[in-house]
Amino acid sequence: RKEVEQDPGPFNVPEGATVAFNCTYSNSASQSFFWYRQDCRKEPKLLMSVYSSGNEDGRFTAQLNRASQYISLLIRDSKLSDSATYLCAVTVTGTASKLTFGTGTRLQVTL
Amino acid sequence: NAGVMQNPRHLVRRRGQEARLRCSPMKGHSHVYWYRQLPEEGLKFMVYLQKENIIDESGMPKERFSAEFPKEGPSILRIQQVVRGDSAAYFCASSSLEALWTDTQYFGPGTRLTVL
Repeated sequence: RKEVEQDPGPFNVPEGATVAFNCTYSNSASQSFFWYRQDCRKEPKLLMSVYSSGNEDGRFTAQLNRASQYISLLIRDSKLSDSATYLCAVTVTGTASKLTFGTGTRLQVTL
Repeated sequence: NAGVMQNPRHLVRRRGQEARLRCSPMKGHSHVYWYRQLPEEGLKFMVYLQKENIIDESGMPKERFSAEFPKEGPSILRIQQVVRGDSAAYFCASSSLEALWTDTQYFGPGTRLTVL
């Protein structure tokens, strides 16, 4: 079983739609959680950290469920510019902060 | 404030040659991480360095790959005797001591290595 798993998609949604991605992790010692966005052939850019209480940044909401070991990302009112691959990443206690990434979920927002 | 810088952005090598990839962390950051992204795959951790120290190299292939982060100058990822399977995007990330507890890492633009 992979340490971090994501549905690869692609998710094809119309502009204005709400879309949700899930990411599951296998190591119960995981301590920090992140969503990154990666455009084609570019570097990953930090979208948001994910906290137990959940957090929101504009149209983006992230949630963490430690009991079920998954994190989610909700994007409301999708824009064309949201088209990208969304990567979830975790760090594990005692592993010197290295990030373990999922393979990413591709989102394509269309007119 | 300049972000993480990597050079070269593109590197072409023939099989058997050496590849040197350089990474300058963000100003004020003393922690450097290298990741590799093979075509159509996710990013995989390779090595974590602080100035003059390798902290975690659990993701580095045992042979041909080495990394350093000297007291002065950029971090270097060195691949000796490259093979076609080394063709990938190599990303460097950095973080600050203050950000360590949150593990926040910021990525450079990457070096795309092509081995002919």
